[in-house]
Amino acid sequence: SQQGEEDPQALSIQEGENATMNCSYKTSINNLQWYRQNSGRGLVHLILIRSNEREKHSGRLRVTLDTSKKSSSLLITASRAADTASYFCATATNAGKSTFGDGTTLTVKP
Amino acid sequence: DTGVSQNPRHKITKRGQNVTFRCDPISEHNRLYWYRQTLGQGPEFLTYFQNEAQLEKSRLLSDRFSAERPKGSFSTLEIQRTEQGDSAMYLCASSFTEYQPQHFGDGTRLSIL
Repeated sequence: SQQGEEDPQALSIQEGENATMNCSYKTSINNLQWYRQNSGRGLVHLILIRSNEREKHSGRLRVTLDTSKKSSSLLITASRAADTASYFCATATNAGKSTFGDGTTLTVKP
Repeated sequence: DTGVSQNPRHKITKRGQNVTFRCDPISEHNRLYWYRQTLGQGPEFLTYFQNEAQLEKSRLLSDRFSAERPKGSFSTLEIQRTEQGDSAMYLCASSFTEYQPQHFGDGTRLSIL
């Protein structure tokens, strides 16, 4: 079974709205990463947050990490149709191996 | 283009045949990973290399699967005696160290007839 679990499985919003996706995991981590995948393509790295960080920003992306609750969230503000994709969280242990969740499929309607 | 390159992009083969995929990572990256992804699922870890050394293999990697990275550069993943359940997207990724983001190729989609 996967270490990380994203919630919700699917999310549909209108362009301009914000999208929030959550990730829960089970074991201690070194860092947590968020990736985006467009249909038929490989994954693209979005943002990495280390276990001693609580929040990180990159453009329209905001990631939070709560190690006490073993959870993370990804917020995409002012969404665009081009943000339509699947979003995955990946947790890296101190051994360096990353484990991916099953993703949230985001649809942004123009 | 200096990204991760995977070949072929799509492989169709009959059950029982052997297939081999190639991955060319970003040149300065020491770590190379193989994942398998089926529809609606996240990538499942198969194996990874630190330079030419294969450090870990998932229990998903049966005896029919073998991976190599002979000179610490490109890698190959071979599946022998393919089965219907092997149909999936096989993704390769590389990173500079174990704590750096992974850069993915666009994968090889394997279809077993």
